[in-house]
Amino acid sequence: GEDVEQSLFLSVREGDSSVINCTYTDSSSTYLYWYKQEPGAGLQLLTYIFSNMDMKQDQRLTVLLNKKDKHLSLRIADTQTGDSAIYFCAESTGANNLFFGTGTRLTVIP
Amino acid sequence: DVKVTQSSRYLVKRTGEKVFLECVQDMDHENMFWYRQDPGLGLRLIYFSYDVKMKEKGDIPEGYSVSREKKERFSLILESASTNQTSMYLCASSDNGEKLFFGSGTQLSVL
Repeated sequence: GEDVEQSLFLSVREGDSSVINCTYTDSSSTYLYWYKQEPGAGLQLLTYIFSNMDMKQDQRLTVLLNKKDKHLSLRIADTQTGDSAIYFCAESTGANNLFFGTGTRLTVIP
Repeated sequence: DVKVTQSSRYLVKRTGEKVFLECVQDMDHENMFWYRQDPGLGLRLIYFSYDVKMKEKGDIPEGYSVSREKKERFSLILESASTNQTSMYLCASSDNGEKLFFGSGTQLSVL
């Protein structure tokens, strides 16, 4: 299957920016997604980007897509303790073809 | 807002028991999915369904079956639970098969 990779852990200080990275292997992706999972909960869709876009901004969140390098990143500005969670990157190559990364656990240090 | 409801938050079962995990969605979505989540492995697709009575195997279907008798309900069945099926199980639904909405998960422990 498709290979979607993320680093497992990231720690940042409150107020700093967080950057979570993701790489994927299939160049036929249609959409790329970021999901957030808070402790003891399911996954919540955070944001997504269409594969022909380079960037999408939504309040404190900035998604960057480098399609040539198959690299996706999520930047969280002014990171807060409530941002502590596991963040999953996911790539879609069509209906019912969604591939998730292993998730990055973000820890925000007060 | 889409609501995906999983019937149990925590379940404890014994080896060899038959286990039913239920999932209901309220948005008339065509597609429903069952994933399991394990530390360091991310989400792995067990089964999905794109219509009533239709099902497709995902990446790890062994040891599981599913049932979709009604559009809103998708059940995951462990015919004979084993300890290696201890995991977090996540149900999701989607109208287009791409953007998924998840339930809050069922943490299953098999002793």
